[in-house]
Amino acid sequence: AQTVTQSQPEMSVQEAETVTLSCTYDTSESDYYLFWYKQPPSRQMILVIRQEAYKQQNATENRFSVNFQKAAKSFSLKISDSQLGDAAMYFCAYIRSARQLTFGSGTQLTVLP
Amino acid sequence: NAGVTQTPKFQVLKTGQSMTLQCAQDMNHNSMYWYRQDPGMGLRLIYYSASEGTTDKGEVPNGYNVSRLNKREFSLRLESAAPSQTSVYFCASGNARGETQYFGPGTRLLVL
Repeated sequence: AQTVTQSQPEMSVQEAETVTLSCTYDTSESDYYLFWYKQPPSRQMILVIRQEAYKQQNATENRFSVNFQKAAKSFSLKISDSQLGDAAMYFCAYIRSARQLTFGSGTQLTVLP
Repeated sequence: NAGVTQTPKFQVLKTGQSMTLQCAQDMNHNSMYWYRQDPGMGLRLIYYSASEGTTDKGEVPNGYNVSRLNKREFSLRLESAAPSQTSVYFCASGNARGETQYFGPGTRLLVL
């Protein structure tokens, strides 16, 4: 079975500091895609960043970047210069050939002023 | 563009009642999806439609049926609701397999 594991149920960071959220996944496929989604209290699922497995270069979107280690099946999210608006549940997700997004259980991020 | 819309936002059902959750997208996406989110868990796929006229089961299809009415609309039906179906339901749409799926605002369903 394909699984996505987020081992940190909760994390906190001081405003303007940097935080890294961890994600590991299990797959036997070589071609797949990885995502980080953010879910604020409004419940809306918002894409943060996307990584194509065949690309070695780590994806970056403004203050958000990933550390993609394909051999280790690791996909961590780094948030730089954390802002109060970054407080949310963050989900790591993986999509394979069947188009099915498989989500981790999430990491609740608190940003402290 | 409204993106992905869902109705209703919130619903209370009694055990055994039926209802249909509606979803529509205006992004001209080929694929549409239904997920459920339970407390402390990520989203799990119920059904998906890769293109108009096709539907396939996801991870947790039991107790649900779907209809891809046209390219824009994808509905989820609970024929006989059970308390275990209390959850938040999300519809999503996307194009190619690796492209981003865009989510609706969710429907909170409570089955008593």
